[in-house]
Formats: sequence, C-alpha cells, structure tokens
Amino acid sequence: DQQVKQNSPSLSVQEGRISILNCDYTNSMFDYFLWYKKYPAEGPTFLISISSIKDKNEDGRFTVFLNKSAKHLSLHIVPSQPGDSAVYFCAASTQGGSEKLVFGKGTKLTVNP
Amino acid sequence: DVKVTQSSRYLVKRTGEKVFLECVQDMDHENMFWYRQDPGLGLRLIYFSYDVKMKEKGDIPEGYSVSREKKERFSLILESASTNQTSMYLCASSTHRDGSPLHFGNGTRLTVT
Repeated sequence: DQQVKQNSPSLSVQEGRISILNCDYTNSMFDYFLWYKKYPAEGPTFLISISSIKDKNEDGRFTVFLNKSAKHLSLHIVPSQPGDSAVYFCAASTQGGSEKLVFGKGTKLTVNP
Repeated sequence: DVKVTQSSRYLVKRTGEKVFLECVQDMDHENMFWYRQDPGLGLRLIYFSYDVKMKEKGDIPEGYSVSREKKERFSLILESASTNQTSMYLCASSTHRDGSPLHFGNGTRLTVT
C-alpha cells in the first residue's frame, strides 16, 4: 500500500511561471514532510520541509503548503527556472524521525526556457 | 557541508557474485541508510543503521545484508547478485535529531549481468 503518492509522473512549465508539485498521503500519523530534488547521476538533495503544526513554510522561491484535513501537500516554485528541472520526491515520517522516511515515486519537472 | 561518499559510481557484476557497496560519511552522523531507486518505484529503503553494529530491515531487505563496524562507514552486501538487483543504490546519513534531513551520496549504478 503506497502511503505517499505523487500522482503526476511529470510536469512541464515555462520559465518564469509557477510550478506546483503535489503529494498525497494516507497515514494520518505522518507529522513531518520533506521535499527532495534529484538531478540525473546525483543523489537527492534536501529542499524544504514542514511540520504538521504548520500549514506553510517558505524558503526563497520554494513554498510548501500542508492541508492536513485533505492529507495533501504541495510544493510551489515561483518563478520557475530551467535549473529547477529535476525529479522531485515528496517524503513523510512520523515523530519527525528520518529512520522511517517514506518516499513518493517522484515527479519529473521540466522547466522550458 | 555534509559529505556522503559512495566508493563506486558504476559497477558491473555477474550473477552469483558477492558484491560490496561502500559508503562513508564525514559528519559524525548516527544514522545511515541504504536505498535503491528504480524507475516508477521511487526510493525504497533496504536497511538502516542507527548506531555502530546496529541495523534494522527496511522495506526490501531480501537478498541484502549490511555491515556497520565504524560510525562513518556503512556497507551494503549482495551475497549472490541477481539480475533483479540491477538498480541505482543510494546511501544516506542523518543525525538522531528530530527533523534531521537525509544527506545522500551520489549513488552507485549497479548492473548485474
């Protein structure tokens, strides 16, 4: 049973526009959520996180929104840049621990110049 | 900056061979992890270790074992490699602190023929 779902395998946007990547989860015990970015031939790198006590966290061009009632989170990138083209993984854990981080399958974002 | 180093970027092994994948981190992190990444399946946890000589099974431990004799080093062992173990293997580390993100190495692309 997939506890973290990224239903869009790919997303294509124009440079300068907003990119919105979505993630749904089924386990109501999840209380910490993270986004990772992965370029080809590199390991994933941590991008941004949010605790369940918040509904929004912002870091520069990246904002993560959490809707606990809908068990849904989203990553907004504004404005999108060609260098943002990568695979984005959503991940979730209970009690903020990294030991049992559950990853989604990833969404490949392409930002066109 | 945390550095997680995987000893090989690419490996080609034959079916039935014993394979060692090595990972070293330089930030004195307590936790270390082995994931595999496959297209359409995302990141799946094989094993993790929260201390020297301690290990716990992840979601897909079958066919793998691990060794952690020193805090900075975590080895993944394929006792008898099979073609379905052809994959990208990613090592990661983190601290015990709640909310500590994973820091990944650049991965080892293993091909079993």
